[in-house]
Amino acid sequence: NAGVTQTPKFRVLKTGQSMTLLCAQDMNHEYMYWYRQDPGMGLRLIHYSVGEGTTAKGEVPDGYNVSRLKKQNFLLGLESAAPSQTSVYFCASSYPSWNYGYTFGSGTRLTVV
Amino acid sequence: AQTVTQSQPEMSVQEAETVTLSCTYDTSENNYYLFWYKQPPSRQMILVIRQEAYKQQNATENRFSVNFQKAAKSFSLKISDSQLGDTAMYFCAREGAQKLVFGQGTRLTINP
Repeated sequence: NAGVTQTPKFRVLKTGQSMTLLCAQDMNHEYMYWYRQDPGMGLRLIHYSVGEGTTAKGEVPDGYNVSRLKKQNFLLGLESAAPSQTSVYFCASSYPSWNYGYTFGSGTRLTVV
Repeated sequence: AQTVTQSQPEMSVQEAETVTLSCTYDTSENNYYLFWYKQPPSRQMILVIRQEAYKQQNATENRFSVNFQKAAKSFSLKISDSQLGDTAMYFCAREGAQKLVFGQGTRLTINP
């Protein structure tokens, strides 16, 4: 089925550990995004990409890095996890036109202990 | 920072009632898109309705409609004949500079 796939769906990390979240889309979308969702704060943009090989910072980029080496994949990395990064992470993708808005992945629940 | 504000953190209504969720935003653009997304307990984000700012006619999708007031920068969502399956978090979002900015969300509960 066409869509956005996030892996893993759940993860528990210890403080200081590193990990990479993978987002893959098969809709040939140009734009891809990483958001975090925290209670009472909505979805806040971490990083985004408007095309293969490009990345840009969003509202809350500190502590995260991203890469978009292939058009269909957008990776989010945590080099040294902190408890403040406990959150639900969503990947999304879209066309440059906004007729359809975002297509979202199902989210990753990350807990840092 | 450009913001989207949802002033109702929680709302609760009885099944079959009509409910309106509020959203205000800021922008310096003349044309842009606005969206409402629904997030049920499954956590999946589902597009409910979208509105292009240059279109004066309010968007409608079955029981869901919007009241778009461009000058006031207001974009409220009306749900008619509410159903138990409408219970969810609802997020308002504004498009700008190649990305969406989301509000804080409104938790809507439909009671039987």
